[in-house]
Amino acid sequence: EPEVTQTPSHQVTQMGQEVILRCVPISNHLYFYWYRQILGQKVEFLVSFYNNEISEKSEIFDDQFSVERPDGSNFTLKIRSTKLEDSAMYFCASSERLGTSDIYEQYFGPGTRLTVT
Amino acid sequence: GQNIDQPTEMTATEGAIVQINCTYQTSGFNGLFWYQQHAGEAPTFLSYNVLDGLEEKGRFSSFLSRSKGYSYLLLKELQMKDSASYLCAVREGAAGNKLTFGGGTRVLVKP
Repeated sequence: EPEVTQTPSHQVTQMGQEVILRCVPISNHLYFYWYRQILGQKVEFLVSFYNNEISEKSEIFDDQFSVERPDGSNFTLKIRSTKLEDSAMYFCASSERLGTSDIYEQYFGPGTRLTVT
Repeated sequence: GQNIDQPTEMTATEGAIVQINCTYQTSGFNGLFWYQQHAGEAPTFLSYNVLDGLEEKGRFSSFLSRSKGYSYLLLKELQMKDSASYLCAVREGAAGNKLTFGGGTRVLVKP
C-alpha cells in the first residue's frame, strides 16, 4: 500500500540553526500539507501546497517557515532559524485531490521529531 | 476560527462499546474526519462524514449532525489494540483543504 515517507525520523538542532524536513508524498497525490504536534497537544495545521504554490497557511507559518517541492517526488519544510518552541513532531500529509463531496482523505507520514536545544 | 471539543480520556473494557463525542463550531464545513493515533505515531484515517447520519465501517461507526455541530465515533467489540487517541478533525471548504483537529480522546481498553 502506498505511503507517505519522511526523513529524518528525529532531528536535533541548536537554537538559531536552519533545518529542512523532508517528505515523499504518495506518488499520484496532488495536494501536500505540513502539520505539527507539540508533545501532549493537538495536531495543528501549518500549510497546504498545490501546483507549486501555497494554498493556505496558518498563523504559525510565519516568515521563518518555507516549503518547496524541489523535484517530482520530494516536499520539504524549512525552518530558517529554529526556536525552542519549534520543538514538535512534524507530520507531512498528502491527498489525491481537494475534498468536496468526496472523501479524499489526507494520508499522514510517520513524522519527524524535531528537538531544538 | 474553529472550536472542536472532545473528552480528554475514556476507559472501557475489552469487548465493550465506547462512544466518543465531538462538538464543533466552524464556518464553511466540508466534512468531519476521525483519525486514530497511537502514541508517537502518525494519525491514521478511520472514518468520514459530510452528510448527516451514520457511516458504518466494520467495528467503527461515525455519526454526524450538521445542524447540531455534533459527531460521535462508536467503537464496538473493543480490543486491547484499540487503546489509542482518537482525533476529531473538521475540514473547511476553503482553498487549502486544511484539517482542524480537536485535542483528541485517549481511550484506554482494560482486560
